[in-house]
Amino acid sequence: RKEVEQDPGPFNVPEGATVAFNCTYSNSASQSFFWYRQDCRKEPKLLMSVYSSGNEDGRFTAQLNRASQYISLLIRDSKLSDSATYLCVVNDAGGTSYGKLTFGQGTILTVHP
Amino acid sequence: GAVVSQHPSWVICKSGTSVKIECRSLDFQATTMFWYRQFPKQSLMLMATSNEGSKATYEQGVEKDKFLINHASLTLSTLTVTSAHPEDSSFYICSAVDRRPYEQYFGPGTRLTVT
Repeated sequence: RKEVEQDPGPFNVPEGATVAFNCTYSNSASQSFFWYRQDCRKEPKLLMSVYSSGNEDGRFTAQLNRASQYISLLIRDSKLSDSATYLCVVNDAGGTSYGKLTFGQGTILTVHP
Repeated sequence: GAVVSQHPSWVICKSGTSVKIECRSLDFQATTMFWYRQFPKQSLMLMATSNEGSKATYEQGVEKDKFLINHASLTLSTLTVTSAHPEDSSFYICSAVDRRPYEQYFGPGTRLTVT
């Protein structure tokens, strides 16, 4: 089983649509959680951290369910510029794993006019 | 936010040669840097953790004699791909951890093509 698994995608949605991505992780001791976006041939960029209480940043809402080891990202009112690969990322617990990020395989989103 | 640079941004080399990639934290000190590799249509895979002044810690399956890592200062880590082969062609990305605040910043990546 992969440590971090995401929806296989790809997602093709029209502008203005709402789209949701799901992710599960296998290490119950994981400490922190993130969504990154990666544009083609570029480095990943942090989109938002994910907190247990759920958090929102403009059109983006992230949710975390520790009991189910499940993370989600909701994008409302999709824009053309949202087209990218979205990476679910987990930071494992301490010790020698300090700062070690484990990436999901990514879900490709294409927003079309 | 903090800036991490990589050099070169892309490189083409012949099979059997060695290639050095530099990763620099430009406006903060990074005691820990990470090296990742990304093959086409795949996600980032951690290769090794680089700690300033000590030996790097390699992930399972990554050959430490082939991928030499040197973290000689708090702002510079280098990855040398020795005796490169076509299967080493990939996108190599480094990241650096800024402890205040605790956050990891990625470099822009180096695209390596071995012919």
